[in-house]
Parts: sequence; structure tokens; C-alpha cells
Amino acid sequence: GENVEQHPSTLSVQEGDSAVIKCTYSDSASNYFPWYKQELGKRPQLIIDIRSNVGEKKDQRIAVTLNKTAKHFSLHITETQPEDSAVYFCAAPLFKTIFGAGTRLFVKA
Amino acid sequence: NAGVTQTPKFQVLKTGQSMTLQCAQDMNHNSMYWYRQDPGMGLRLIYYSASEGTTDKGEVPNGYNVSRLNKREFSLRLESAAPSQTSVYFCASSSSARSLMNTEAFFGQGTRLTVV
Repeated sequence: GENVEQHPSTLSVQEGDSAVIKCTYSDSASNYFPWYKQELGKRPQLIIDIRSNVGEKKDQRIAVTLNKTAKHFSLHITETQPEDSAVYFCAAPLFKTIFGAGTRLFVKA
Repeated sequence: NAGVTQTPKFQVLKTGQSMTLQCAQDMNHNSMYWYRQDPGMGLRLIYYSASEGTTDKGEVPNGYNVSRLNKREFSLRLESAAPSQTSVYFCASSSSARSLMNTEAFFGQGTRLTVV
């Protein structure tokens, strides 16, 4: 079945620095790769996604890159701000959506 | 447009009690899902429904049952609650006709369940 590994589990950065979170998936048939952000006590919400026919997608300070050959995709956050502090989840949906275990990002002011 | 609505928001049960978590979406989505999230953990799929009248097991279905009552509603039932079922439960929906294969998932606000 599908397996998704997400690293690191915790990431602490200084405000203004960049943060990178990586996900590795197992099923080569996956063709849609979303990233969700979950603030403390809130519901997960989509922040960016990418489809398999695209290598990179940007939306202001966040970007996602996809390497289908290596079966991994990454979330990049530039110029981090305290409000970026949250848990970030990747997913590699196929027949059953499997989420990564999450990365807790701390942005220190 | 309320999106995905879950009830209740909080619940405390005694071991062995039963209860049903309700979920409704008003986005005309085909697929609906139930996840559980334990403290410091990720989202684990309990059951999902790709269309009205169909349901399938996810990663952790034991101890739960579901009903896709109609296109809008997907309920999760705990027949005999156990302390191991203490968790936050999220319902989600997606326009995908199968799993969350290629479209955004919208989550409810969650139900915090404690079993004592």
C-alpha cells in the first residue's frame, strides 16, 4: 500500500530564515501532492498543491517542488514569520489518502 | 456556505458507552472521510466513502462503524468506547469521485473525544 514519510518531525528556525520539509512516497501512480497547515487547535487547511506534470509551484512565500523520479516532494517557506509556526502535513493521495506524520515548525522571533 | 460541519465539538464518554459523531457538508462533494488525530501525531484514516451508498475501511477501522446517509452526511459510530479511542476526530470531504486523489480536502472543525 501507499506509504508517506515526512522529515523532519520538528523544525526550529529564526524569523526570516527559510524552512524546508520533505516527503517521500512509495506509489509511483500518485499524481497529486498537497501540503496542509494545521495551527494549534484548528483544522488542517490546504496551503499549496502540485500535480505530477509540474516540477515546481510557487505562491508568494511558499513553494512546492516535485521529483517524480526520486518520488519525493518538498515544501519551501521563505522569509519565515511567527505566524508560520504550525504543523505541516504532506499527503500522497491515491486510493486511500495517506498523510505524513507531520512537521512541527517553530519560528522564533 | 458552512463547508464541513461536525457535531459535537467535545464529548466525554465512559468506557463501554456508544455514540455517533455527525458530519455534514454543503459543497456537493462526492467523497467523505473520517480521520483521527492523537496528540502529536498525524492524521490516520478510519473510514472513507467515495460516493453515496459506499464505504471502505482506512488504516484504523477497528472499533468504528460508518454510515453514508446521503450525499451530504457521513456519520461515525463508536459502539463500545474504549480509552484508546480518546482522540480528536476530523471529518473531511472532497470533490474527487474516488479518494482524495486529485482535489483539495476540506476538514470540519474536529470533535475532541475523551473516553474515561
